[in-house]
Amino acid sequence: GAGVSQSPSNKVTEKGKDVELRCDPISGHTALYWYRQSLGQGLEFLIYFQGNSAPDKSGLPSDRFSAERTGGSVSTLTIQRTQQEDSAVYLCASSQGQFSGNTIYFGEGSWLTVV
Amino acid sequence: AQSVTQPDIHITVSEGASLELRCNYSYGATPYLFWYVQSPGQGLQLLLKYFSGDTLVQGIKGFEAEFKRSQSSFNLRKPSVHWSDAAEYFCAVGVKAAGNKLTFGGGTRVLVKP
Repeated sequence: GAGVSQSPSNKVTEKGKDVELRCDPISGHTALYWYRQSLGQGLEFLIYFQGNSAPDKSGLPSDRFSAERTGGSVSTLTIQRTQQEDSAVYLCASSQGQFSGNTIYFGEGSWLTVV
Repeated sequence: AQSVTQPDIHITVSEGASLELRCNYSYGATPYLFWYVQSPGQGLQLLLKYFSGDTLVQGIKGFEAEFKRSQSSFNLRKPSVHWSDAAEYFCAVGVKAAGNKLTFGGGTRVLVKP
């Protein structure tokens, strides 16, 4: 597609349930990022995938959060046993690869509300 | 670790007036610097970026930014604001040694008065 595509755009879930958020990066982009945007916390880095390298998971806030990227393209962010503090907009981004000189393009985000 | 500060949480400006958004960063070397804009309900759109070279960078929508190493600043400017510029603006720092991830400032929300 023309841009980074995320689904669902909105998700309301009950506390304790698991959720999956999907990201379809721009075709040909080897780098994929997940960020979280929440009130009071701003934009936080979560995880970064680059090609076949091991992902950089340093931003994941707890072991309830995990992400995978299948076939070097689509990525899924999974939040297990959701808590109210997980309510946020989850933004996916992609870039062509080597960071320097390459623009990072963001999707419109998945708005998660945990009730 | 690098950090980014946007001192102004909100700015209100009249349509047609000039706009300047402040951004200060903390990092030992020259980082990669970015400005993104986020309109309500939208994702982040890149306005401009600085990697090296000319310290005055031109971006989309009539925006420009100037990198000042001595002040660790990368302020965003627009000479004449349009109502459609009402949005939230984020300054970000990228450091390759930090794993290719961006560190964002807290954002500045711009309101445009008619």
